Amino acid sequence: DIQMTQSPSSLSASVGDRVTITCQASQDISNHLNWYQQKPGKAPKFLIYDASNLETGVPSRFSGSGSGTDFTFTISSLQPEDFATYYCQQYDNLPQTFGPGTKVDIK
Amino acid sequence: QVQLVESGGGVVQPGTSLRLSCAASGFTFSDFGMHWVRQAPGKGLEWVAVIWYDGRNTDYADSVKGRFTISRDNSKNTLFLQMNSLRVEDTAVYYCARDPSYNIIRGWFAPWGQGTLVTVSS
Repeated sequence: DIQMTQSPSSLSASVGDRVTITCQASQDISNHLNWYQQKPGKAPKFLIYDASNLETGVPSRFSGSGSGTDFTFTISSLQPEDFATYYCQQYDNLPQTFGPGTKVDIK
Repeated sequence: QVQLVESGGGVVQPGTSLRLSCAASGFTFSDFGMHWVRQAPGKGLEWVAVIWYDGRNTDYADSVKGRFTISRDNSKNTLFLQMNSLRVEDTAVYYCARDPSYNIIRGWFAPWGQGTLVTVSS
């Protein structure tokens, strides 16, 4: 199975801050990477596909980049509704696997 | 709009069985593959199983292979997960999720249902 790692595991930030999360795959997955947002007690929400493409309706302050084994997720200006846990997920090989998540909370 | 509603969770003893359902609406259910993904309390996300749009193909995580069965009834727009020989480590919120690619499986999950909690405890 492809192992996914994320860093940091958690971070504290203020509204308006730029936030960056990294995700690394244990082997080359091309751009076969998605990002999800999960708020407490809620189901995950699909944000970004193919490493850098925003799902319809997702605000443009969210972005993603990378290919191969190293990926980045960025929130350009953190908003109050963005405090959540973010997961990367590879779909290059079955089984699809998720990173352990990065919790973004209020500083 | 697309809606997925899970049901069937509960508290069961180790070694017993449970059947989860996921009622779909707002899209042509028979055109899309479907997944089950679970999340143990306070933990991350784990993909469990997938079924192709026509039900002809399925695949499972090694952790549930041989114990869980995914199925679907396209006439009733419903997805199922039959869980047998349940273990304490199967305790989790179980989400159903659509694979949003028409007639193929990409391994994307969009959208998700609200989840149903399965607790396996003696």
